[in-house]
Amino acid sequence: DVKVTQSSRYLVKRTGEKVFLECVQDMDHENMFWYRQDPGLGLRLIYFSYDVKMKEKGDIPEGYSVSREKKERFSLILESASTNQTSMYLCASIHRGRGQETQYFGPGTRLLVL
Amino acid sequence: QKEVEQDPGPLSVPEGAIVSLNCTYSNSAFQYFMWYRQYSRKGPELLMYTYSSGNKEDGRFTAQVDKSSKYISLFIRDSQPSDSATYLCAMSGLTGANNLFFGTGTRLTVIP
Repeated sequence: DVKVTQSSRYLVKRTGEKVFLECVQDMDHENMFWYRQDPGLGLRLIYFSYDVKMKEKGDIPEGYSVSREKKERFSLILESASTNQTSMYLCASIHRGRGQETQYFGPGTRLLVL
Repeated sequence: QKEVEQDPGPLSVPEGAIVSLNCTYSNSAFQYFMWYRQYSRKGPELLMYTYSSGNKEDGRFTAQVDKSSKYISLFIRDSQPSDSATYLCAMSGLTGANNLFFGTGTRLTVIP
């Protein structure tokens, strides 16, 4: 079974704090993703990485950065948290096999910025 | 216009009913179509995966793709209270694409 884990299920931070969200996958996947999910807006791609030390901006990268130092680990960083970054953050990685390619998600981190 | 449109619901049905969930899309390059189920406060889990047009069945679930109409559906037969969740459609273009386009999700409640 593909397993994608996220370091925290719930986080409460204050405005201006630096926030680290960590994602780990145990299936040697090359591609990993960070999304945020908000009511009425669905899933929006923040950043993705297709290899170690490689990253690409998604649709809403502003206010975020990422780090991929090891293949299994993809970190999302909020440099200075703001209240509009209160959201559900989902990490995913791609599984490729038998002509099928799809994303598997972690359980999510619900972040509240006060 | 959004790439993918999905009615957010909410949708409430009695146990045992047939449920139909739908998405429309605008990009004719989409070839891979997925349905995810997301329980409250959990991450989405892959439910069904189809390539190009046609039907795919897995137990009580049937995924249908009509590329000519740019319309996909998920049918749930004999719905159960455990099917209560938000259902997200997702789609992508060529193999190796690094982005999926998601619908906003339809919230389903199956009433015992």
